Amino acid sequence: DGGITQSPKYLFRKEGQNVTLSCEQNLNHDAMYWYRQDPGQGLRLIYYSQIVNDFQKGDIAEGYSVSREKKESFPLTVTSAQKNPTAFYLCASSIRTTVSQQYFGPGTRLTVT
Amino acid sequence: AQTVTQSQPEMSVQEAETVTLSCTYDTSENNYYLFWYKQPPSRQMILVIRQEAYKQQNATENRFSVNFQKAAKSFSLKISDSQLGDTAMYFCAFMNPGGGADGLTFGKGTHLIIQP
Repeated sequence: DGGITQSPKYLFRKEGQNVTLSCEQNLNHDAMYWYRQDPGQGLRLIYYSQIVNDFQKGDIAEGYSVSREKKESFPLTVTSAQKNPTAFYLCASSIRTTVSQQYFGPGTRLTVT
Repeated sequence: AQTVTQSQPEMSVQEAETVTLSCTYDTSENNYYLFWYKQPPSRQMILVIRQEAYKQQNATENRFSVNFQKAAKSFSLKISDSQLGDTAMYFCAFMNPGGGADGLTFGKGTHLIIQP
């Protein structure tokens, strides 16, 4: 089955700790994205990557970091510098960044206390 | 920067009725793409329909259709013969394919409730 997996579904961390959210796709897509969703808000773009070893900041990149060492994987690290890390995080991928549909993973709910 | 506005935070209709969700956007681009995504309680984002700005014909997918008014920058979604399974958050989204590939810009969503 082709698709995007995000693990875990729920994640709990103490304030001050860094945490890494996993995103894997087996769709052979070049582009991958990370979005954040807060109650009453649409999705907001954190980072995106068009190709392996390349990534760009989105609208709300502060306090986050990413890597793209493999085509299939695009992990997101929420650092202690992120002031309000509790949110629902969605990963997506597309064949290429232009003119194509984005496919979304099931999301990870991060709670930081 | 593009903005997407969904002016209806919540809507409720009876099963089998037709409902229209509104979306307006602001852009200076001429070539772009518009999408409606559905997010049911499972929170999985599902593409409902997409529209290319260069196409005059409105997109249709079964019970879902759009009314795309490019000059007015309006992109509404019509759901015909609504079903209980249509209950979800619906997000309008914009993509500028030539603008540096910065992902989708989403509206804040409309919570649609289909009543039995």
